[in-house]
Amino acid sequence: AQKITQTQPGMFVQEKEAVTLDCTYDTSDQSYGLFWYKQPSSGEMIFLIYQGSYDEQNATEGRYSLNFQKARKSANLVISASQLGDSAMYFCAMREGRSYGGSQGNLIFGKGTKLSVKP
Amino acid sequence: EAQVTQNPRYLITVTGKKLTVTCSQNMNHEYMSWYRQDPGLGLRQIYYSMNVEVTDKGDVPEGYKVSRKEKRNFPLILESPSPNQTSLYFCASSPRGGPVTEAFFGQGTRLTVV
Repeated sequence: AQKITQTQPGMFVQEKEAVTLDCTYDTSDQSYGLFWYKQPSSGEMIFLIYQGSYDEQNATEGRYSLNFQKARKSANLVISASQLGDSAMYFCAMREGRSYGGSQGNLIFGKGTKLSVKP
Repeated sequence: EAQVTQNPRYLITVTGKKLTVTCSQNMNHEYMSWYRQDPGLGLRQIYYSMNVEVTDKGDVPEGYKVSRKEKRNFPLILESPSPNQTSLYFCASSPRGGPVTEAFFGQGTRLTVV
């Protein structure tokens, strides 16, 4: 079973509008972290935001927020006021905490969502 | 500046010719790992290391070797590259500290095996 599922292979959004990128996860751990990375066409991986499983507040970083719904096991990324520079691949990832540093501590990635921002 | 440095950024090689992709981090991180990225598959872990002289296989280790003789360096070795190892490779490092610790990525190495 996939640990991280991103159901939207590609999405379009109009410049200045908000967009939500979906991510669901599967884990039996109580302690875990959820991450979002951006990959522009140049290829580098850019860290955007993270959420800990015990965090009660949704994480926010500038125009990025993480809509964390623990019971649903979802960790959707919300980008407000989209910009042309937001066009990129976006990856959701999870790190389980059962035994950090062993195989359970690895970052597990979804397959990504390609976001295109239209002017 | 805190960073993970991979070299080379681009490499075209022929089948069977041994190659090494270097990875170095200057953040004194214990945890380092290698990923490959293929279209439609996301990033998959090849090998990881929890500290010096401690390495283990990830999800797709076949055809790769690694070593961790120093804390800062974690080279990826392809003893006999094959075309199915054509991919985008990333090295990443993290401090020891639990599940909510950011992974810092290198800029990637685009490898083509012909």
